[in-house]
Amino acid sequence: EDKVVQSPLSLVVHEGDTVTLNCSYEVTNFRSLLWYKQEKKAPTFLFMLTSSGIEKKSGRLSSILDKKELFSILNITATQTGDSAVYLCAVEAPGNQFYFGTGTSLTVIP
Amino acid sequence: DAGVIQSPRHEVTEMGQEVTLRCKPISGHNSLFWYRQTMMRGLELLIYFNNNVPIDDSGMPEDRFSAKMPNASFSTLKIQPSEPRDSAVYFCASTMGQGFGTEAFFGQGTRLTVV
Repeated sequence: EDKVVQSPLSLVVHEGDTVTLNCSYEVTNFRSLLWYKQEKKAPTFLFMLTSSGIEKKSGRLSSILDKKELFSILNITATQTGDSAVYLCAVEAPGNQFYFGTGTSLTVIP
Repeated sequence: DAGVIQSPRHEVTEMGQEVTLRCKPISGHNSLFWYRQTMMRGLELLIYFNNNVPIDDSGMPEDRFSAKMPNASFSTLKIQPSEPRDSAVYFCASTMGQGFGTEAFFGQGTRLTVV
């Protein structure tokens, strides 16, 4: 059964901390892995990863994929209160099929 | 639990036809979301229900789109008449409580192609 599992389920940190969010998957015919930031109701696209070992960066956020061990991590350094959100991981399979994790809820305390 | 169930998984229709997408949320969840995913725009929220009541439909593109949630276990998204630009993957998600809390459960999506 194809599935995507995210951990931890929720996380509370203080401003300035660094956090690592995990996404593991078992999806037949993997095509890509996507990270979204969900604030309020509409997810915002963060990264798309297709190749192992190549880090993608955007400001304080970075992500990397390991296709051998079937997981990805999303790192956020020097967290700010504006980083508080649910972070979603999704894996794309052929035919525009997507498998979502249930998300990690991050709360950053001032 | 079978999770969020969407049907059909794939739909190919001709321009001008009516299309109905269906979603069964997880039992006990009281918030339901409809999203549209395209390569150009990523995931777009179309409409959000809480306790079967539409709370925010500002993302519904135009009058051709309508959504209903007649009861806690079923929702539909209808497009009438359909147009080629409606081709996308449509996702349904359900959560406990209002809005996105600690967990979001997505269906596998309906891939719509309008020719």
